[in-house]
Amino acid sequence: AQKVTQAQTEISVVEKEDVTLDCVYETRDTTYYLFWYKQPPSGELVFLIRRNSFDEQNEISGRYSWNFQKSTSSFNFTITASQVVDSAVYFCALSGNNAGNMLTFGGGTRLMVKP
Amino acid sequence: DVKVTQSSRYLVKRTGEKVFLECVQDMDHENMFWYRQDPGLGLRLIYFSYDVKMKEKGDIPEGYSVSREKKERFSLILESASTNQTSMYLCASRTGGSGSGNTIYFGEGSWLTVV
Repeated sequence: AQKVTQAQTEISVVEKEDVTLDCVYETRDTTYYLFWYKQPPSGELVFLIRRNSFDEQNEISGRYSWNFQKSTSSFNFTITASQVVDSAVYFCALSGNNAGNMLTFGGGTRLMVKP
Repeated sequence: DVKVTQSSRYLVKRTGEKVFLECVQDMDHENMFWYRQDPGLGLRLIYFSYDVKMKEKGDIPEGYSVSREKKERFSLILESASTNQTSMYLCASRTGGSGSGNTIYFGEGSWLTVV
């Protein structure tokens, strides 16, 4: 069975602060995929990033960066210089190696960025 | 852009009513999903479908059924709504092929209240 844990249920920061959202996963698969989604108040889940288990390079996209560490089974997400528009619920998710494996989500982290 | 459209954003139904939640995707995706989202529990998979007329139970199928008569449409049915089915329902789709590594795209969600 696979599992995703987002220990931080809620984080509050002031605009321009950096913030890191933690994600720890468990899987027995040797090949797997990790995702981050953003859910703004409107409700729709917006895809942010996908990583496969063989690619441990960190990735940066504008103010967003992701740190994938297989040794600690973590896939953390950092927002640099946070903005009010970053306020949302963020979900980390894991998908196993075959088509039969569905996406398993963490419980989500609610990020509130105050002006 | 991928578009997953859920027909109803907000519904209020009475206990015992039969409820239909409709979902349409415009990207010719083989796989479609219904998730339920509850505070602190993240997203939980109710049912998924690999292709037309194919369906598989997810983690919490009790009290639900689904229908996939056409590739673009996946319906979630609550045969007899109960108050514990008050929740946010999210439809999603993805292309088949290699399956689990492909990105899942979500609709905006349907907020169902059962009174």
